[in-house]
Amino acid sequence: KNQVEQSPQSLIILEGKNCTLQCNYTVSPFSNLRWYKQDTGRGPVSLTIMTFSENTKSNGRYTATLDADTKQSSLHITASQLSDSASYICVVTAGREYGNKLVFGAGTILRVKS
Amino acid sequence: DGGITQSPKYLFRKEGQNVTLSCEQNLNHDAMYWYRQDPGQGLRLIYYSQIVNDFQKGDIAEGYSVSREKKESFPLTVTSAQKNPTAFYLCASTTTSGDFNEQFFGPGTRLTVL
Repeated sequence: KNQVEQSPQSLIILEGKNCTLQCNYTVSPFSNLRWYKQDTGRGPVSLTIMTFSENTKSNGRYTATLDADTKQSSLHITASQLSDSASYICVVTAGREYGNKLVFGAGTILRVKS
Repeated sequence: DGGITQSPKYLFRKEGQNVTLSCEQNLNHDAMYWYRQDPGQGLRLIYYSQIVNDFQKGDIAEGYSVSREKKESFPLTVTSAQKNPTAFYLCASTTTSGDFNEQFFGPGTRLTVL
């Protein structure tokens, strides 16, 4: 069964600290993996996308890594800011044979405190 | 929110009523999608449409209906047959060319059954 599991479910950190969010998936065949940021009551916004040949991708203070062999990804947030408080969703796209279907993780809720 | 609008932002429904959620995009995207988001779960696909006048059921289509009469519009009707409609509904769109197309999400509609 195609699944995406994220951990932790929620996380509280102090402003200025770093944190890492985890994503494990069983989606096969794999096309790409995206991390989305979703502010409360809003739609998700894409942060990064990686294909199987990419190990890391950065977007400002956000750095995503991908290990296609172990089917794991992480999102590292550096020098967190209050505006980073949001839900972070890992989304894996299945291959074209499965209609490029998106499989969503449940998300990690991050709260940054001052 | 990437040129996708959803209305209303909040919607209240009495049991037994049908309600229609609006989704409009000005991105000239061919494909449009409806997702349902519940706390602690990943987004689940309700319906999608790859082209005007054509749409397909997603994973949880029961109790929902859609139409795609115009490229820009993809309204979702939540019928009285949907037993647990209280949720956050997200509309998304994407191009159909290429393999790594980002889905752009609207701001969402929160539906509550009274």
